[in-house]
Amino acid sequence: QQQVKQSPQSLIVQKGGISIINCAYENTAFDYFPWYQQFPGKGPALLIAIRPDVSEKKEGRFTISFNKSAKQFSLHIMDSQPGDSATYFCAAGDDKIIFGKGTRLHILP
Amino acid sequence: KAGVTQTPRYLIKTRGQQVTLSCSPISGHRSVSWYQQTPGQGLQFLFEYFSETQRNKGNFPGRFSGRQFSNSRSEMNVSTLELGDSALYLCASSGGDLSGANVLTFGAGSRLTVL
Repeated sequence: QQQVKQSPQSLIVQKGGISIINCAYENTAFDYFPWYQQFPGKGPALLIAIRPDVSEKKEGRFTISFNKSAKQFSLHIMDSQPGDSATYFCAAGDDKIIFGKGTRLHILP
Repeated sequence: KAGVTQTPRYLIKTRGQQVTLSCSPISGHRSVSWYQQTPGQGLQFLFEYFSETQRNKGNFPGRFSGRQFSNSRSEMNVSTLELGDSALYLCASSGGDLSGANVLTFGAGSRLTVL
């Protein structure tokens, strides 16, 4: 199965800091790159997504940076808050969406 | 607008048994995808159904199967359960053939424990 590699596995950030999660993909045919946020006991929920025709997309404190030539993309969470503590999944695909293994983010109060 | 509903939320089975999980998608959504979530592997794609037809399939053994009904509700079945099948099974629906077709909305999942 086409892979999406995500790092780090876990991340601890001080409140107010910047959280950065990275992903890499293999299939150049992928044309959709979403990030999902999952809280315990809940299903993943779409956070933000990008198409390969742009290099950056920002929604509030959340930004996706996309590097098509390197086949990499990242999620930046500015001014991280304790409520952002969750598991984050990157994903990529076209008609089939493949997920990374997830990053457990903990924001220290 | 009701979200994606999965039943049952929790179930316990023993090795060798079979299980059927159900998913009701968002009204109007015609695509249903199933994923297996485990702590070490993240979300792994099982299969996707669109208009009652399997459109995509992941790399799972034939013990894992699914189907979709004319009202877009979907079921997945796992036969001859193994200990390694213990996982959270997530269903996600999307428009399928509309703009934003890739946007998956997930249910809360069905937590299967195999003893």
